[in-house]
This record gives sequence, structure tokens and C-alpha cells, in this order.
Amino acid sequence: EDQVTQSPEALRLQEGESSSLNCSYTVSGLRGLFWYRQDPGKGPEFLFTLYSAGEEKEKERLKATLTKKESFLHITAPKPEDSATYLCAVLFGNEKLTFGTGTRLTIIP
Amino acid sequence: GAGVSQSPRYKVAKRGQDVALRCDPISGHVSLFWYQQALGQGPEFLTYFQNEAQLDKSGLPSDRFFAERPEGSVSTLKIQRTQQEDSAVYLCASSRDSFSNQPQHFGDGTRLSIL
Repeated sequence: EDQVTQSPEALRLQEGESSSLNCSYTVSGLRGLFWYRQDPGKGPEFLFTLYSAGEEKEKERLKATLTKKESFLHITAPKPEDSATYLCAVLFGNEKLTFGTGTRLTIIP
Repeated sequence: GAGVSQSPRYKVAKRGQDVALRCDPISGHVSLFWYQQALGQGPEFLTYFQNEAQLDKSGLPSDRFFAERPEGSVSTLKIQRTQQEDSAVYLCASSRDSFSNQPQHFGDGTRLSIL
């Protein structure tokens, strides 16, 4: 069965303390891996799409990378406004996204 | 509007009542998706439309759940004879088309509480 696993479940960082979130997947026929940010009471907000191993995407303090079995979301010098739940989702052979359970990130001022 | 719009934002119903949740996708988006999100979990797929055609309904939990998109734009998710386990946030997403791995853009959801 295709699965998406995110770790850690929760992460608390001091402002400016860089770290990485992990998304691992077991799947054949990966069509794309998506990162979303979700704030409380809101829907997921699209961040990045990665299509093939070795690909990298950057946006402000965030950088997403992809290997054959996992993706990392690197957060450099985070600020309190980066606090949110970060969701990883994988698109397989059909059109539906399979999501992980997310990493709840808290940045302490 | 610029984004996906869902209504109502909150819905409280008594067990056994029927509910209808509405989704207005981004204008021109071909594909529309419904997801269910339980507290502390990631969204789980319910069903998918390409224009007015429902191409995948494999995630609908039971035959009490029904979705339609009659004119290929607005969609409605209907739940009949609601049960307490139906309490969740129901998210709608749309994407430009279904063949280019375009990202799905989400609305803010309808939080459904069944008493």
C-alpha cells in the first residue's frame, strides 16, 4: 500500500535555529510530491511541487529537496511567522493526493 | 474571487439530519477534489471531478455521501442521515487541469459538527 510518513510529528525551534522536516514515501510511479503549509482554521496553502529525484525548489527561508524515497523541507533562520503545520502529499498514478499527517512547527521568539 | 470558496464555514447538525456543503472553485479550473480532514490528521481523498464528470469516488466512506458538479463549476457534497463519525473538516480543492500535475489549491473548508 502506498504510504506517506512525515517526521517529526512536532518540532519546536528558537527563532533563527535552522532545521529540516522529513517526508518519506513508499510508492511506484511517483508523479509529483507537494509541500503545503496549513495554519489553524485554514486550508492547506501550496508551497512547492517536486517531480524528480535531485530536484530542489526555494522560497524565502524554505527549500525543498527530493530523492527517490524521501523529501526534505529545510527551514533556514526561521521566524515566528513560519509557525504552522507543514504537510507533504504525493501524487501517484491517479489524480488524488495522498497526504502525510504533517509536522507541527513552532518557532519561539 | 481569486481562491477556492467554501460555504458554510461552520455547520452544526443533529445526528440523522442531511447536510449540503458547497464549493466554488477557482474560475476556469477543470479539476475539483473533496477531502476530509480529521483533527490532527492530513486530508484524506473523498472524490474527484473533471469538469462535470465524477471520475473517482473511491474515498467516499459510505453511500450516505454524494457529490455532484452538474455544470462543471460549483460542486456540492451532500451527506445524508449524518452520524457523529462524520464530524470533520471538509476541504475542497481545484486545479487547472488533470494532466499536468498542476498543484491543487484548497479552500478553507467547512467544519462539520454532528451532535
